[in-house]
Amino acid sequence: KAGVTQTPRYLIKTRGQQVTLSCSPISGHRSVSWYQQTPGQGLQFLFEYFSETQRNKGNFPGRFSGRQFSNSRSEMNVSTLELGDSALYLCASSRDNQETQYFGPGTRLLVL
Amino acid sequence: DQQVKQNSPSLSVQEGRISILNCDYTNSMFDYFLWYKKYPAEGPTFLISISSIKDKNEDGRFTVFLNKSAKHLSLHIVPSQPGDSAVYFCAVSYGGSQGNLIFGKGTKLSVKP
Repeated sequence: KAGVTQTPRYLIKTRGQQVTLSCSPISGHRSVSWYQQTPGQGLQFLFEYFSETQRNKGNFPGRFSGRQFSNSRSEMNVSTLELGDSALYLCASSRDNQETQYFGPGTRLLVL
Repeated sequence: DQQVKQNSPSLSVQEGRISILNCDYTNSMFDYFLWYKKYPAEGPTFLISISSIKDKNEDGRFTVFLNKSAKHLSLHIVPSQPGDSAVYFCAVSYGGSQGNLIFGKGTKLSVKP
């Protein structure tokens, strides 16, 4: 069974631009969560989607948004990028949110 | 304020010995506790978990202990192997939901041959 895939793996953007990251969950998984990992803050929860609905949201500004499609694939978008948005963005999927999450390899975003 | 703390950023252990990784949490409402392992350039990999109704869970070389009164969680690896060298994160959740985990900042374990 294929694992969680994330595209792209690496991305360089400049301040003020926007970016869209993509996540394909494990087949049969309907819950997708997004996390941001930075050296200073560690792994922080961004949001969780289940059946195309945002179920939980972390403490991030409105510049961070996401969505989930009917095939459970998910995207997250960051608008008006800031230097502090440079991070590893991780996606995790599970059958539902009561079960273990499996993480993808992440997308490393560098904002210059 | 950090709800989950891993106070040791790093730990070095000799191969074959026991590795003990610690984690403290602040909220007694947390009811599910997990450990993840992360290698560079990879996402975290689930290791072992424990619910608040238990105080110990074993899986091969890995054992997780939960002390609810102290709000303390630990992971024991016995015997430690060089391939165990990685960053270990503890994570917590509440209400049975694992969709929005709260992570500690991680402990880098180095197992020396």
